Amino acid sequence: NAGVTQTPKFQVLKTGQSMTLQCAQDMNHNSMYWYRQDPGMGLRLIYYSASEGTTDKGEVPNGYNVSRLNKREFSLRLESAAPSQTSVYFCASSEGIWTGLNTEAFFGQGTRLTVV
Amino acid sequence: RKEVEQDPGPFNVPEGATVAFNCTYSNSASQSFFWYRQDCRKEPKLLMSVYSSGNEDGRFTAQLNRASQYISLLIRDSKLSDSATYLCVVTDTGRRALTFGSGTRLQVQP
Repeated sequence: NAGVTQTPKFQVLKTGQSMTLQCAQDMNHNSMYWYRQDPGMGLRLIYYSASEGTTDKGEVPNGYNVSRLNKREFSLRLESAAPSQTSVYFCASSEGIWTGLNTEAFFGQGTRLTVV
Repeated sequence: RKEVEQDPGPFNVPEGATVAFNCTYSNSASQSFFWYRQDCRKEPKLLMSVYSSGNEDGRFTAQLNRASQYISLLIRDSKLSDSATYLCVVTDTGRRALTFGSGTRLQVQP
């Protein structure tokens, strides 16, 4: 029962380097999300994909890009990493927020990213 | 103003105590409400949904007050294993995603 799988779990980047965080879910969920979590700030939405083929900006999209490669996979790219992007990144998926029912979001284990 | 506000705590309580957390949200059009639990350095996991009529799951009771725009979580007979951060979560009508509060940290002491 894999659920939501994120890679890598840890990463150290130098300022200006680029990288892609990978996320895959095996629950046939429609919606996928990328959040970042900083001390005292809670989880903040970076980007989300309500369904395959669509992506939308969240609360803090600057400096990031995303790709919904297919229904299973949703990647997050940092084109030119900055120290302000040091954070813990969580990918999540859900059946769909707007089904009219309360739906549970499942999270990956997180990626701890440090930009030096 | 944050969309979802919580007292960060920490709440330090002895085993067996009853503890309550509140959360306020600013968007009156928010539709669904949840409590998530997050253990240290782990991913958040759903604790319970919050229904308008209030709901209970074992030692946990959640209440929703739409008029005042707040959500509460009551934990009875606290266990050491309840020590965690509790995140208040609402659905965002504009973004079709979950909006999280910053969390309330609970430490249950022996």
